[in-house]
Amino acid sequence: DVKVTQSSRYLVKRTGEKVFLECVQDMDHENMFWYRQDPGLGLRLIYFSYDVKMKEKGDIPEGYSVSREKKERFSLILESASTNQTSMYLCASSLRDSGGYTFGSGTRLTVV
Amino acid sequence: QQQVKQSPQSLIVQKGGISIINCAYENTAFDYFPWYQQFPGKGPALLIAIRPDVSEKKEGRFTISFNKSAKQFSLHIMDSQPGDSATYFCAASIRRSARQLTFGSGTQLTVLP
Repeated sequence: DVKVTQSSRYLVKRTGEKVFLECVQDMDHENMFWYRQDPGLGLRLIYFSYDVKMKEKGDIPEGYSVSREKKERFSLILESASTNQTSMYLCASSLRDSGGYTFGSGTRLTVV
Repeated sequence: QQQVKQSPQSLIVQKGGISIINCAYENTAFDYFPWYQQFPGKGPALLIAIRPDVSEKKEGRFTISFNKSAKQFSLHIMDSQPGDSATYFCAASIRRSARQLTFGSGTQLTVLP
């Protein structure tokens, strides 16, 4: 069964901490995405990557960065966590020109 | 700027009824319109998708209706079942360096037994 695996299901971090969210896919997909999901706002794109070492900003990149050193792994970094970054974070992957994403189960991050 | 508007926010339907969720988009460059289904504790999963060159697509009990001139599309769930209770998201995309999806705000569907 193909999978997108997010390293943590729940995380609690303190304001100002540097936070790493990891995502690994085993489908040899070219594209990987990070979304955050908030009630009433749907899913909003933070960053995406269409190839190793390539990255592009999504709709809400402020306060975040990403890293893709290997094809199967895409990391989201919160440089200095703030309470307004408390959210559900979803990683997804897809083939090059496909709109059919495979999502991970999400990481619920709480910043206190 | 919300490019894909989804309604209603929540929907309650009796078992066997028809569930209808609507979406409207603004950007005429969108060329792919999927629907995703999300169960609690899981990530969204692709349910059905349509391209703007057709007006309807049906897969089992799920149908997408697409109105290009009105810039609207909708999901119809026929013979709704309690197992269909989930959150549904419409989305739209343009192909740029990757096919990025812009999602609606979601509809929480509850099907009563």
